[in-house]
Amino acid sequence: QVQLVESGGGVVQPGGSLRLSCAASGFTFSSYGMHWVRQAPGKGLEWVAFIRYDGSNKYYADSVKGRFTISRDNSKNTLYLQMNSLRAEDTAVYYCAKEIMEWLPLDYWGQGTLVTVSS
Amino acid sequence: EIVMTQSPATLSVSPGERATLSCRASQSVSSNLAWYQQKPGQAPRLLIYGASTRATGIPARFSGSGSGTEFTLTISSLQSEDFAVYYCQQYNNWPLYTFGQGTKLEIK
Repeated sequence: QVQLVESGGGVVQPGGSLRLSCAASGFTFSSYGMHWVRQAPGKGLEWVAFIRYDGSNKYYADSVKGRFTISRDNSKNTLYLQMNSLRAEDTAVYYCAKEIMEWLPLDYWGQGTLVTVSS
Repeated sequence: EIVMTQSPATLSVSPGERATLSCRASQSVSSNLAWYQQKPGQAPRLLIYGASTRATGIPARFSGSGSGTEFTLTISSLQSEDFAVYYCQQYNNWPLYTFGQGTKLEIK
């Protein structure tokens, strides 16, 4: 069955960097667009970034544009999120999620990885 | 950006009763609207997409309706496992998704 497993979260100081990974299995990873969605403690869901199935297009929320980079390695069935210049307001659980197909919503989510930005 | 607004913020309902949750979009999203359920410590689960199509494995007591800017999620007879937070999401502006702020469904 479909599995998405995030890793790489942790505590980082403001201005620091972190790279999250999402290992995918149970489906043809190279055929689907993938997203990162985050959730600050006690808050709602915020869409962060998207990458097309072949990596040809990437989109970002304004709140992370210029600081975060989404990428993928289809040979390793893995999605990444490189986070630079981290701020306290980036503290959240980060989920990777698979879309049903283009122009449709998210049908599978990982369990999330917690990123805490604090000095 | 399309802003999604959910109401009420908290809804108290007794088991076995019907729950009705609302979601409004700041501009038309056609039928490109999804609903998710999230329980504490868990990832969101897709319930409804296309405003009214149940996702795989979702019980028939969950139903969605609406189009344009006004949407409703109805749970016909609440079970104990249905008490959770519910989010609506527009994907009309794919892939730039936006979510509502959530409605917490609690036991009365």
